[in-house]
Amino acid sequence: GQNIDQPTEMTATEGAIVQINCTYQTSGFNGLFWYQQHAGEAPTFLSYNVLDGLEEKGRFSSFLSRSKGYSYLLLKELQMKDSASYLCAVPPPGGYNKLIFGAGTRLAVHP
Amino acid sequence: DSGVTQTPKHLITATGQRVTLRCSPRSGDLSVYWYQQSLDQGLQFLIQYYNGEERAKGNILERFSAQQFPDLHSELNLSSLELGDSALYFCASSVALEGTEAFFGQGTRLTVV
Repeated sequence: GQNIDQPTEMTATEGAIVQINCTYQTSGFNGLFWYQQHAGEAPTFLSYNVLDGLEEKGRFSSFLSRSKGYSYLLLKELQMKDSASYLCAVPPPGGYNKLIFGAGTRLAVHP
Repeated sequence: DSGVTQTPKHLITATGQRVTLRCSPRSGDLSVYWYQQSLDQGLQFLIQYYNGEERAKGNILERFSAQQFPDLHSELNLSSLELGDSALYFCASSVALEGTEAFFGQGTRLTVV
């Protein structure tokens, strides 16, 4: 089976940097996804990591360590619109991309 | 706009009834997924279809069923509805079976009264 852990809630200040951690346990590894979801809206894709290391995409970066079962999402220059839930998701091995999502981290950005 | 279309956007129905939710995937996407999200809960994977065939199943109730048609649109059928079935139901699609991002529709908000 799989187990995904993320902090439930985080708060940060506009303009700051925040790191959202995700730890996972899986019997096999087939990549890790990060999605953003505003309340009541559809999740939107942020990143996909399959190799160790940091991938940067504008204000958002995602890091993966397969040996540690650990990933983080780094958000820089926070904006109010970044207030949302951030979902870490791991497809099970041979799982045909059925994304198993963590409960998500609800981020509140304050002025 | 993700390119994934779900209808209806909202649905209110009574307990014991049956409803059908519809999803049209992005053009060219062969894989369709259904997820359930109850209030303040995470996304729960229900089922996946690829090119018309069921490929993966989550904790989908026996009262729920789905199918993917030759034109690749999909329907999720929910029967003998209970109050606890009230949730947002999302459909997502991706081009391949695995290793590719999934694009989510805007969801159908089902309220069972």
